[in-house]
Amino acid sequence: EIVLTQSPATLSLSPGERATLSCRASQSVSSYLAWYQQKPGQAPRLLISDASSRATGIPARFSGSGSGTDFTLTISSLEPEDFAVYYCQQRSNWPLTFGQGTRLEIK
Amino acid sequence: EVHLVESGGGLVQPGGSLRLSCAASGFTFSSHRMNWVRQAPGKGLEWVANIKQDGSEKNYVDSVKGRFTISRDNAKNSLYLQMNSLRAEDTAVYYCASNYEWGQGTLVTVSS
Repeated sequence: EIVLTQSPATLSLSPGERATLSCRASQSVSSYLAWYQQKPGQAPRLLISDASSRATGIPARFSGSGSGTDFTLTISSLEPEDFAVYYCQQRSNWPLTFGQGTRLEIK
Repeated sequence: EVHLVESGGGLVQPGGSLRLSCAASGFTFSSHRMNWVRQAPGKGLEWVANIKQDGSEKNYVDSVKGRFTISRDNAKNSLYLQMNSLRAEDTAVYYCASNYEWGQGTLVTVSS
């Protein structure tokens, strides 16, 4: 099983700041990595697939990068609605696995 | 607009069974692999099962193998999860998901 480790567990930033979230895989997943955003009481929403492809309707301030074992989700300038929990997911090997999440909170 | 609507959740005793359904609309259901993903209260996401477009390939997380069965009916645009021998640790919101969209989830509570 591929283990995904997200860091930091919690990130405290202010609106307008840049957010950088990390996801590290225990073995290579090539570019088969997705990022999701989840707000309280809501289902997760796909932000990024294939490491760097923004999903339909996702603002350009969200970007993904990386390949192999190290991936990054960057939010260039935080909006109030971006404060949420973010998960990475690998789609390379069965079983599919998620990271434990990064909570992005308002400072 | 894509819609995935889960149903069938509820309270069940340990050892019991439940069948979840997911009604899909707004996209070509038969062209997409489909998943069930769960989230225990206050916890992270856990992928449960996946089924290929034609139902010929199914994959499961180890903790549900032999107890849960994923299936689909492309004529009805529907996805299913048959859950048997339920345990307290299966308590979670269960989401139906394609690679792009998720439903709102249905809560399964396993308790006596």
